[in-house]
Amino acid sequence: EAQVTQNPRYLITVTGKKLTVTCSQNMNHEYMSWYRQDPGLGLRQIYYSMNVEVTDKGDVPEGYKVSRKEKRNFPLILESPSPNQTSLYFCASRRLQTLAGGGEETQYFGPGTRLLVL
Amino acid sequence: KNEVEQSPQNLTAQEGEFITINCSYSVGISALHWLQQHPGGGIVSLFMLSSGKKKHGRLIATINIQEKHSSLHITASHPRDSAVYICAVYHGGSQGNLIFGKGTKLSVKP
Repeated sequence: EAQVTQNPRYLITVTGKKLTVTCSQNMNHEYMSWYRQDPGLGLRQIYYSMNVEVTDKGDVPEGYKVSRKEKRNFPLILESPSPNQTSLYFCASRRLQTLAGGGEETQYFGPGTRLLVL
Repeated sequence: KNEVEQSPQNLTAQEGEFITINCSYSVGISALHWLQQHPGGGIVSLFMLSSGKKKHGRLIATINIQEKHSSLHITASHPRDSAVYICAVYHGGSQGNLIFGKGTKLSVKP
């Protein structure tokens, strides 16, 4: 079954304690991305990756790190979490192709990780 | 001013009605996504389009690049269509940087 998995699904932590949220996809997709969703602000992109070893900042990258060493995995790292990083996080992936190429361009989303930083 | 604006913010419809949700954007884009977020929080990608029109079942998405506008239509709406519908655009020439609208909350009454 085609899917994007995230772990953990729920996490309560304290300020300053480093954490990693894992994201894995089984569809051999080139593109992977992390988003956060906050009430009143909607979804915002944190980082994205167009392929292995290629990552770029989204709109809200401050306080986050990512790496893309393998095609299937795209972990999100919070080196020193702060309360303003309390949020619902989504990972997603899709096949990367030219827009004129046609075919299925669905972006697959993970189930979300709810993070509370105290 | 938000770069991606959706209207309406909230929409209540009766089962069977034809529904239109609008998305306007102020930046150059390479493509646009329509997403559906269920009440439980899960997100599903409905369409990605860069021109013209796409149809999937009772859903139709159109985009007018010159007018910087896209619409999502739902024909013969059903209570199971109740969800938040989100428009997102790939900013500039990349297929990477995605900017989201705030979403339209749809409630379809039986």
